[in-house]
Amino acid sequence: DQQVKQNSPSLSVQEGRISILNCDYTNSMFDYFLWYKKYPAEGPTFLISISSIKDKNEDGRFTVFLNKSAKHLSLHIVPSQPGDSAVYFCAAKEQAGTALIFGKGTTLSVSS
Amino acid sequence: DADVTQTPRNRITKTGKRIMLECSQTKGHDRMYWYRQDPGLGLRLIYYSFDVKDINKGEISDGYSVSRQAQAKFSLSLESAIPNQTALYFCATRGGGRLTDTQYFGPGTRLTVL
Repeated sequence: DQQVKQNSPSLSVQEGRISILNCDYTNSMFDYFLWYKKYPAEGPTFLISISSIKDKNEDGRFTVFLNKSAKHLSLHIVPSQPGDSAVYFCAAKEQAGTALIFGKGTTLSVSS
Repeated sequence: DADVTQTPRNRITKTGKRIMLECSQTKGHDRMYWYRQDPGLGLRLIYYSFDVKDINKGEISDGYSVSRQAQAKFSLSLESAIPNQTALYFCATRGGGRLTDTQYFGPGTRLTVL
């Protein structure tokens, strides 16, 4: 059973608007969450992370929100740019865990 | 230069052949990982290593083996490749310590087993 779920395989947004990518998890032991961006023919690139002791983390145009009670996190990109078009993976880790557990990814397309 | 490199970038092989994928890193990280990605799926962990003498199985280790030749090198072997091992393979590294949970990925190897 999937512990990290990205239920939207794809998202299309116009340039300048907000992109919201969602991620749900089932394991209450997860305490660290990350977003990775992946372009074709490249490896995933770390984008932003959040610890479970926080509910928000910002880095430039990227903000991650964590709702522990709902076991939900989201990535907001404002404003969206065509270069943001990529596959976005949500990942999570237990404090005592070893590996990152990844969602299936959401393909974001930003049109100009 | 890239911090995490993988060779080869692409490989086509036949069923039953032995294949080795190599990973090198210049980040000075102790921890290294091998993942595979299948179409429409997230990355899944094959093996990981916390140092040269520490090798551990991940979620999907059957059919694979690894070797940590040095801190900077971690290779993945398919002893007898089969078609369902066709996938994208990624190596990743991570520094030690609780505050550095971020993993850094190589560019990937696309493996096709015919």
